[in-house]
Amino acid sequence: GAVVSQHPSRVICKSGTSVKIECRSLDFQATTMFWYRQFPKQSLMLMATSNEGSKATYEQGVEKDKFLINHASLTLSTLTVTSAHPEDSSFYICSARMRGDNYGYTFGSGTRLTVV
Amino acid sequence: AQTVTQSQPEMSVQEAETVTLSCTYDTSESDYYLFWYKQPPSRQMILVIRQEAYKQQNATENRFSVNFQKAAKSFSLKISDSQLGDAAMYFCAYRRLYNFNKFYFGSGTKLNVKP
Repeated sequence: GAVVSQHPSRVICKSGTSVKIECRSLDFQATTMFWYRQFPKQSLMLMATSNEGSKATYEQGVEKDKFLINHASLTLSTLTVTSAHPEDSSFYICSARMRGDNYGYTFGSGTRLTVV
Repeated sequence: AQTVTQSQPEMSVQEAETVTLSCTYDTSESDYYLFWYKQPPSRQMILVIRQEAYKQQNATENRFSVNFQKAAKSFSLKISDSQLGDAAMYFCAYRRLYNFNKFYFGSGTKLNVKP
């Protein structure tokens, strides 16, 4: 079945630094990838949608200059948290939609970001 | 805007018993998709079951089935013969038919399975 790999699974960074999270579709072409944020014991909140080769579409309230999303190829999207602060600490999950698939969105295993 | 409500923050079931998780949603659209996702402690989101709103027949996947009541905007998940591996957070989700982008997730129900 379709697999989405997300890396790293855990990362700790210092306040003020930037951190990049990768989301790869391993065995399919992902025309669209999505980035979610999940706070403890809460639901997933969509941050942005990225289509290959075009700029990401951000949800209202999400700072596009802080959360940089790049969808450089049909198998890779990256989320860079710039100038990270402790309040950016969260669980980030990506998902990918397979080309031609109207139903299936495969999720990555998530990244636990801790900013100290 | 679409909203998804899961009114049970946490539930418990005895192993081998049956449990039903509730979900209601609000929409003005007539065609859409509904999903149940499972998130075990590993945090990996796993699709459990999906339902197309235009289908009257309730979806089933092995021990998992749904009770889809379109008029009532209700979409409950029944887990039969509960197993320890079913313990997880369960999220109900809505997606528009023609907008492939956005899932609307409920707040989740934590399911505990007692041996």
